[in-house]
Amino acid sequence: QKEVEQNSGPLSVPEGAIASLNCTYSDRGSQSFFWYRQYSGKSPELIMFIYSNGDKEDGRFTAQLNKASQYVSLLIRDSQPSDSATYLCAVNKGNTPLVFGKGTRLSVIA
Amino acid sequence: GAGVSQSPSNKVTEKGKDVELRCDPISGHTALYWYRQRLGQGLEFLIYFQGNSAPDKSGLPSDRFSAERTGESVSTLTIQRTQQEDSAVYLCASSRGTSGRARGETQYFGPGTRLLVL
Repeated sequence: QKEVEQNSGPLSVPEGAIASLNCTYSDRGSQSFFWYRQYSGKSPELIMFIYSNGDKEDGRFTAQLNKASQYVSLLIRDSQPSDSATYLCAVNKGNTPLVFGKGTRLSVIA
Repeated sequence: GAGVSQSPSNKVTEKGKDVELRCDPISGHTALYWYRQRLGQGLEFLIYFQGNSAPDKSGLPSDRFSAERTGESVSTLTIQRTQQEDSAVYLCASSRGTSGRARGETQYFGPGTRLLVL
């Protein structure tokens, strides 16, 4: 079982819809969870992090964490074509580097 | 403030040559990471430096790869006797340190070095 799993996609959503990106992790000791966005040909940039169960909102982005189910998701409301990118989920277990998933490619269709 | 910088931004080399890639982390960041990303693939962890601790080299793919870091500043990744399969983007990231607190763990990435081995 991979440590951090994401559906590779592509996930296609129409402009204005909600995009839902999912990530599961294997280590119950994981403490903090990150979402990065990576545009084609660019380096990853941080969108947000979460470390408590529940929802965390930042603008059009909402991260959701369920530690019991070992599941973290990212919702993007009012999706725009400029949101088209690969979204990387990353997990931290404490005193170790982040473990990254392989990413989900999102395509927002105008 | 200044972000993570990497040089060169692009490097074309011939098979068998050695290359050296440089990373300047964000000032004050004690942790530094190197990743490799092949075209269309995910991030592949290579090596991690945390302060004065021994580096975690568990991701280095072969003994042709090595990295050094001077204190908490610049790092260089060296690839000896390059092969065509080494062609990739090499990304460097830094963070304040793996303190167990989310903000300290946030990794900030540099723009990467695109390496092409002919």
